[in-house]
Amino acid sequence: GAVVSQHPSRVICKSGTSVKIECRSLDFQATTMFWYRQFPKQSLMLMATSNEGSKATYEQGVEKDKFLINHASLTLSTLTVTSAHPEDSSFYICSAIPSEGNTDTQYFGPGTRLTVL
Amino acid sequence: GQNIDQPTEMTATEGAIVQINCTYQTSGFNGLFWYQQHAGEAPTFLSYNVLDGLEEKGRFSSFLSRSKGYSYLLLKELQMKDSASYLCAVRDTGNKLVFGAGTILRVKS
Repeated sequence: GAVVSQHPSRVICKSGTSVKIECRSLDFQATTMFWYRQFPKQSLMLMATSNEGSKATYEQGVEKDKFLINHASLTLSTLTVTSAHPEDSSFYICSAIPSEGNTDTQYFGPGTRLTVL
Repeated sequence: GQNIDQPTEMTATEGAIVQINCTYQTSGFNGLFWYQQHAGEAPTFLSYNVLDGLEEKGRFSSFLSRSKGYSYLLLKELQMKDSASYLCAVRDTGNKLVFGAGTILRVKS
């Protein structure tokens, strides 16, 4: 089946530092990837849509200068949380849609738990 | 606007059947998805409906009525490992998923 990986799985950082999270589609190419954020006991909230070769599309209320997204290839998207603060602590999950084959389903990565001290 | 409603919590007994309902009001509709999510893990895909009717997949079935803006997920022969959060999500015309808040299902022995 379609597998999506994320790295790192957990990260703890100091306030003011930047953190990069990688999302990779392991056995398929993905023109489109999505980044979600999930706070405890809440549902997934879409942050942005990442498109290979073009700028990401951000949802309302998400600061594009704070959450930098780069979709460098058909198998890799990165999310960089710049100048992280404690309120950015959350579970960040990416998903990917295959460019070919089953294009109806988003496949999710295992998530990255970010804790900002 | 986008609005997806599901019950917050449900409890059922091992071996029983449980139905989790989802109602939605969205600006666009291009399919409805059900995902299972265990605490601290990413969601895993369970089912997808784009046409009205019932889709069956082993112990899990999902139903959709587009005219009523309604779907349900049916879990049969409940097992303890089915204890998880179940997320209803609607895909809009642009491929984006809008998630409900999720239903926490507790299976008791």
